[in-house]
Amino acid sequence: GENVGLHLPTLSVQEGDNSIINCAYSNSASDYFIWYKQESGKGPQFIIDIRSNMDKRQGQRVTVLLNKTVKHLSLQIAATQPGDSAVYFCAENRQAGTALIFGKGTTLSVSS
Amino acid sequence: NAGVTQTPKFQVLKTGQSMTLQCAQDMNHNSMYWYRQDPGMGLRLIYYSASEGTTDKGEVPNGYNVSRLNKREFSLRLESAAPSQTSVYFCASSASPTGGEAFFGQGTRLTVV
Repeated sequence: GENVGLHLPTLSVQEGDNSIINCAYSNSASDYFIWYKQESGKGPQFIIDIRSNMDKRQGQRVTVLLNKTVKHLSLQIAATQPGDSAVYFCAENRQAGTALIFGKGTTLSVSS
Repeated sequence: NAGVTQTPKFQVLKTGQSMTLQCAQDMNHNSMYWYRQDPGMGLRLIYYSASEGTTDKGEVPNGYNVSRLNKREFSLRLESAAPSQTSVYFCASSASPTGGEAFFGQGTRLTVV
């Protein structure tokens, strides 16, 4: 069935490395995508979003890339820090007037 | 600014009991949502309310009902709790249903025994 999925359930990196978290989506009609970070025991927190009329968007230490041709979304975190350790979810808005649909998440572990 | 507030934070129910999870937002958002999160799963949409006075089913609505009491409040009711409803429940709100950042509450951890 259609879903927003992530390629890897876990990702381990060293402090200072760049991290890349991937997400594949199947609905070509989706026009809005968000990355969320969820720390243990907390609700998801917004990181960055991108609309389908863009290929790239940058924030502070984070970059989201959207490849509509292959329906692929990625989150790049520069100079990863221990505080970046969390579960990262991508979410898509498949249809205007509905709600965000989430993927299963990738657990990022950052070691010092 | 409290954002999205959920009550209670923890709850244990016996099978067959009923309860209502409360959610309130103070951001004057039009849209509100209920999700559940299970281990190894992402967040799955239970119900949403695109605007005051409207509610719609999400991916997993069975066993739940919702009420959009006013613009601020969106409650989730379990009429007869089942062990399969053991989960963490998150309420969220956004300014618009057509896209835009959704803000989440801290979650309600529900255990049904």
